[in-house]
Amino acid sequence: TQLLEQSPQFLSIQEGENLTVYCNSSSVFSSLQWYRQEPGEGPVLLVTVVTGGEVKKLKRLTFQFGDARKDSSLHITAAQPGDTGLYLCAGTMDSNYQLIWGAGTKLIIKP
Amino acid sequence: NAGVTQTPKFQVLKTGQSMTLQCAQDMNHEYMSWYRQDPGMGLRLIHYSVGAGITDQGEVPNGYNVSRSTTEDFPLRLLSAAPSQTSVYFCASSIDRAEDTEAFFGQGTRLTVV
Repeated sequence: TQLLEQSPQFLSIQEGENLTVYCNSSSVFSSLQWYRQEPGEGPVLLVTVVTGGEVKKLKRLTFQFGDARKDSSLHITAAQPGDTGLYLCAGTMDSNYQLIWGAGTKLIIKP
Repeated sequence: NAGVTQTPKFQVLKTGQSMTLQCAQDMNHEYMSWYRQDPGMGLRLIHYSVGAGITDQGEVPNGYNVSRSTTEDFPLRLLSAAPSQTSVYFCASSIDRAEDTEAFFGQGTRLTVV
């Protein structure tokens, strides 16, 4: 059982559509990070959120940390083929700074 | 700017063989770690190091050894390869272990054990 559950596991949509992917847990996290991984490459950090309710924007990407710090979402507006990739969330807990990883959402944006 | 460099990129081993996956970083990072990535399971921590001369076990350490003789290098040794070790292996480094620290990853090593 994953401590961080990501949904959906797979999403394929047309260019220009909006989408939201989720990262959920029953545990409280002191911080949560989102990474994007492209085929044949390692994950690359997109954002870190540390405060409950925090919202961060990165161009067309909006990240939110839940008020209770148990969940996070990533919303993409007007998706583009360049957004294609595996989106991973990873969190740290107060008692341990090791990153705990979700299994990822594989996103495909079709032109 | 090399960042984190892993070699080799691909490797096929026979069951029972041993090998070393190399990892080097040029960012003077104290914290380094090894993960394996399997479909549907996310990244799982194998071993980590908080500095030269210090290593510790992660979530799935069995069958793997590490050493950290320098800040730059953190090799991962497979002692006697098993098919269950077929996976993609990633080395990562970060400046420290704080909760908001960015982890930098290598390109990965795709290992197949037959």
